[in-house]
Parts: sequence; C-alpha cells; structure tokens
Amino acid sequence: SQQGEEDPQALSIQEGENATMNCSYKTSINNLQWYRQNSGRGLVHLILIRSNEREKHSGRLRVTLDTSKKSSSLLITASRAADTASYFCATDSWRDDKIIFGKGTRLHILP
Amino acid sequence: NAGVTQTPKFRVLKTGQSMTLLCAQDMNHEYMYWYRQDPGMGLRLIHYSVGEGTTAKGEVPDGYNVSRLKKQNFLLGLESAAPSQTSVYFCASSTGTEGDEQYFGPGTRLTVT
Repeated sequence: SQQGEEDPQALSIQEGENATMNCSYKTSINNLQWYRQNSGRGLVHLILIRSNEREKHSGRLRVTLDTSKKSSSLLITASRAADTASYFCATDSWRDDKIIFGKGTRLHILP
Repeated sequence: NAGVTQTPKFRVLKTGQSMTLLCAQDMNHEYMYWYRQDPGMGLRLIHYSVGEGTTAKGEVPDGYNVSRLKKQNFLLGLESAAPSQTSVYFCASSTGTEGDEQYFGPGTRLTVT
C-alpha cells in the first residue's frame, strides 16, 4: 500500500508564481524525500528532510515537515517553465530498508 | 560516470513471451531496486536487493523474478508476459545508508500485446 499521498494531483500556475504541493503519510517515518520526474525520464532527487527537522531550504525549494500531522509540503518559489514536471514524496522508516513513493503531483507552469 | 543505465529502452512482447531487463550502475551502490510506473499509480516497488547475491520482494512481485549475481547489475525477468505487465519500468540504486537518495535509470517502456 502507498505510504505517501500527494495533493493536489495536478496543479497549473503562471510562470513566476509560487507552487505548493503537499504530502500526507500514514505511519511514523525516519526521513521524507521529494523527487522530480520530467516527462519520459527517471526520477531525480530534490531534497531530504529528517523526522527531527521542521523546515529545509535548497535554492528555490522549501520543504516543511509536520510529524504531528504526518504531512509535508514542498514550495517552489518564482516558478519557471522548466519546473513543469511531476513531483513525488517518498518516505522511509526504521522498520524496513526501502522507501515508499506517493502517486505524485503533476505541475504545469503556464507561460 | 554513466550512473544507472537500463537496457532496452523500449520493448513490445506478445502474451506468454519472456524477457529480461538489465540494470547496471557504476557507483558501487549496495542497494538496487526495480519499480513499475503506471498512470495514476505512482511508483510501485517490484523487487529490491541490499547487496550482491541477495534479493527481496517489494509491493508487487508476482510475475517477476530478479537476480543480483554481480554488485553492479540487477536483472528483472518476466517468464510469461501478460498484458497487465504493460508499464514503464525503472531501476534505481543507492548506497543503502539511512536517508540516502535513490538514483534512477531512464526507464524501459514495455508493451505486452
């Protein structure tokens, strides 16, 4: 069964606007990662946040984690056409040695 | 470094045929994974390996077999392909260190008719 669930499933915004997507999960986690997938390509790692962290930044990316609500958000500021892609959250836990991906959010940046 | 490579990129099979997908990584990673991606389903883990000579089942292992005879290679086999196995298959690898990212190959698009 899927651990992470992204919301919304799809998002269209104007170039230059900020894009926010959310991820909810069901059981306790050790780490949460965000990945990007351009059409027809493999996934690329964006950022990792650990369960004892609340916020992390990387360039135009800002990730937050609320373990009490079992949720995370990914904010992309000042969006660009190149940000058009699908974004996936992935979680891992102490219980096993693999990570579980959500179904993804499709982001489309309008010119 | 080539990273993670997959062979072939595309394949069309008839129901009942068999094939093997090859994944190779040149990063000396311990862990390797096979996923399938279907529209609206995200990535689902088929099998994975935590080291040479080891394999383990993931979320959707039925109909697939794997082997990790060499550390750098992870093979995914379909013994008798079914239309339900039409999908895009991704291989990934990681060091296995807690919290480490996974590195993905470009994918193999498989169609079973």
